[in-house]
Amino acid sequence: EPEVTQTPSHQVTQMGQEVILRCVPISNHLYFYWYRQILGQKVEFLVSFYNNEISEKSEIFDDQFSVERPDGSNFTLKIRSTKLEDSAMYFCASSEETRTYNEQFFGPGTRLTVL
Amino acid sequence: AQKITQTQPGMFVQEKEAVTLDCTYDTSDPSYGLFWYKQPSSGEMIFLIYQGSYDQQNATEGRYSLNFQKARKSANLVISASQLGDSAMYFCAMRVMNTGFQKLVFGTGTRLLVSP
Repeated sequence: EPEVTQTPSHQVTQMGQEVILRCVPISNHLYFYWYRQILGQKVEFLVSFYNNEISEKSEIFDDQFSVERPDGSNFTLKIRSTKLEDSAMYFCASSEETRTYNEQFFGPGTRLTVL
Repeated sequence: AQKITQTQPGMFVQEKEAVTLDCTYDTSDPSYGLFWYKQPSSGEMIFLIYQGSYDQQNATEGRYSLNFQKARKSANLVISASQLGDSAMYFCAMRVMNTGFQKLVFGTGTRLLVSP
């Protein structure tokens, strides 16, 4: 069964450093998403991406964040200068379409720890 | 704005019993979808069940069923015959048709513990 994959599973970084979180969405999916879950809290939407551009972003997704689809398979989230409060689980998701009934398939997540 | 409310931070159930996890939602959009995800301790998000706002019947998927009461704006998850492996965090989420790209809005989750 096709699945969304994410690397690395766990990333530890120093405050102020740049990190890139990588995702490989399901191959025939066209819509991509990043979500964040701070430990013990709810999952929060960061950004959606379609046709090589951002389609929607939340207020969390400020100038330190960027997304890219550098090739036909990868979808990346870059955090330019990490802060302590960026420590969270980051989930990538993809969907085939955006009709309400289309499930978003989630990857296993990358746990980011900022020291 | 869309909002999901899960008022039960934790629930306990004995193995083989049924349990209901509550979810209420708020949206002014007539077209929306409601989802339940399971998050075990390993952290991944596992899709369980979907209910569309125009669906006439309550959704069912194996031991999972969704008690959809549109007038009350509730979409409670019912797990029948609980198993030890059901112990996990459960999130209710909503998706609306406003922008066309339909982010998921999540509730705060309910931690379910199934005891032998």
